[in-house]
Amino acid sequence: ETGVTQSPTHLIKTRGQQVTLRCSSQSGHNTVSWYQQALGQGPQFIFQYYREEENGRGNFPPRFSGLQFPNYSSELNVNALELDDSALYLCASSYQGLNTEAFFGQGTRLTVV
Amino acid sequence: AQSVTQLDSHVSVSEGTPVLLRCNYSSSYSPSLFWYVQHPNKGLQLLLKYTSAATLVKGINGFEAEFKKSETSFHLTKPSAHMSDAAEYFCVVTLYNNNDMRFGAGTRLTVKP
Repeated sequence: ETGVTQSPTHLIKTRGQQVTLRCSSQSGHNTVSWYQQALGQGPQFIFQYYREEENGRGNFPPRFSGLQFPNYSSELNVNALELDDSALYLCASSYQGLNTEAFFGQGTRLTVV
Repeated sequence: AQSVTQLDSHVSVSEGTPVLLRCNYSSSYSPSLFWYVQHPNKGLQLLLKYTSAATLVKGINGFEAEFKKSETSFHLTKPSAHMSDAAEYFCVVTLYNNNDMRFGAGTRLTVKP
């Protein structure tokens, strides 16, 4: 186990709704990254948060937004859900610095119907 | 921009025989390279990482990988496959600080008894 916890583990939402996914980082880590993994594909970078600010973003629309809290935990919010948003959402925790590794949570499986 | 290409979507080996999972990378600068493993319904686990130190990197569970700059490759090997090695393997490249880790499409390893 990595010490990175995500909630909920599974979620079913209706198209057009909004969803919030949560991630608790590993103790001692100050950076959280979010990834989307569609079925049969590799994870794709959504964004990273460091010191409560966005520190890099992948090719995702603005309806994907996030937060990082003073305790370094994080939320991923997705508005106006689309069917293609159905995926496994992974959170990765790391310490900002050279040559540090990222530890992943188990993921949240989001299904949009 | 950096990227990785995993040359095989599926590799099948017999238990006790060698494993070779191939990965080529593209990067404008000196990259950090990783191999992650994902077992069904589980998060991603780091197998090993290359960060410009030794070119032959040893990881967990008997896996190792060799960084070859001239061939832009970072192939993953294991001398003898075990049934428990059956999983999805991802090659990953990043430039620094685990920001925007680029995953390959994955290689599914099947181990036959």
